[in-house]
Amino acid sequence: SQQGEEDPQALSIQEGENATMNCSYKTSINNLQWYRQNSGRGLVHLILIRSNEREKHSGRLRVTLDTSKKSSSLLITASRAADTASYFCATDSDNQGGKLIFGQGTELSVKP
Amino acid sequence: ETGVTQSPTHLIKTRGQQVTLRCSSQSGHNTVSWYQQALGQGPQFIFQYYREEENGRGNFPPRFSGLQFPNYSSELNVNALELDDSALYLCASSLGPFGGYTFGSGTRLTVV
Repeated sequence: SQQGEEDPQALSIQEGENATMNCSYKTSINNLQWYRQNSGRGLVHLILIRSNEREKHSGRLRVTLDTSKKSSSLLITASRAADTASYFCATDSDNQGGKLIFGQGTELSVKP
Repeated sequence: ETGVTQSPTHLIKTRGQQVTLRCSSQSGHNTVSWYQQALGQGPQFIFQYYREEENGRGNFPPRFSGLQFPNYSSELNVNALELDDSALYLCASSLGPFGGYTFGSGTRLTVV
């Protein structure tokens, strides 16, 4: 079963706009990770935020984590057509033996 | 430094057959995890191998089995294939069960 739920399921924006994706999860976590997937191929690791962190930045990416609400958001600023992909959050929990539990994903389309 | 390599890229099998998928882990990584991703879904954890021993298993039947070799490469075997086994199979390697994950490009399995 999936740990997380992502919102929205699909998002369509124009180049230059910001894209925000949200993820909710159910159990306590060690960390939460965001991945990108192009056209059903391999997953590319974007960013990891630990349970004791609240916000993290990497280039045009900003991730927030609210452990009290069991939720995270991924913000992509100044989006580009090349950002078009599916984005997944995944949680890593002590009681899950090191496995990642993924959400259903958000399909982002950035139109030029 | 090499990444994670999976073979074959695509595979078509008949229901009831057996299949073996292969994964070469990233240099220096001693842990391999396997995930199944059905179309339109997030990846689901199958199992993880750490130093040649199974280290955690998801909710998959025993006909899904695996191996990890002394060089930390891994195989996923699926017996008695069913139509629902059609999916993208992803391998991820890490340094330790809780390390950062590097994913391969996946094997697309179609069962007809």
